[in-house]
Amino acid sequence: KNEVEQSPQNLTAQEGEFITINCSYSVGISALHWLQQHPGGGIVSLFMLSSGKKKHGRLIATINIQEKHSSLHITASHPRDSAVYICAVAMDSNYQLIWGAGTKLIIKP
Amino acid sequence: EAQVTQNPRYLITVTGKKLTVTCSQNMNHEYMSWYRQDPGLGLRQIYYSMNVEVTDKGDVPEGYKVSRKEKRNFPLILESPSPNQTSLYFCASSFSPPYEQYFGPGTRLTVT
Repeated sequence: KNEVEQSPQNLTAQEGEFITINCSYSVGISALHWLQQHPGGGIVSLFMLSSGKKKHGRLIATINIQEKHSSLHITASHPRDSAVYICAVAMDSNYQLIWGAGTKLIIKP
Repeated sequence: EAQVTQNPRYLITVTGKKLTVTCSQNMNHEYMSWYRQDPGLGLRQIYYSMNVEVTDKGDVPEGYKVSRKEKRNFPLILESPSPNQTSLYFCASSFSPPYEQYFGPGTRLTVT
């Protein structure tokens, strides 16, 4: 069983839709990261969370430590949001990151 | 501009020919790391370094070497590349785990 699981693996939606990507993990963590990888390959960090909720523009990330679950939401989605979204958790034992497999998001105009 | 640079960006080589992929960061970060990314497998850590002269194996270190002689540089060395090392490689840095990592642009390596 993977220690970090993302769902869905693939998601196709229409422009303007509200998007939710989920991340569940099974280890004790000190922080959870959401990252974005564009089709060109570059990886950019979006959020680092240890509790609660963070918002940046149209992106919202939440985490529930008790349930070992995090969600990334995109409001008013746009084709430029098309990318792979990756969840990674930093273990509380040694801070090393465990990576999810990513969710490929396609937003159609 | 704060950045992580990698060179080369693309490399095609032959089995057994030693190569080095350079990585440099200008943010005075203590922590640096190398990952490989393969379709369907996500990012896998090869080696990481908590500070100068301190390196440790990640999940897939076989066939790779690293060194950290200076804080800003963390080269990845393939002494005898093989076709199964064909992959997309990323270098990343941060002040320390678990903080935000900054990624280089990636190096696409093909070993024939």
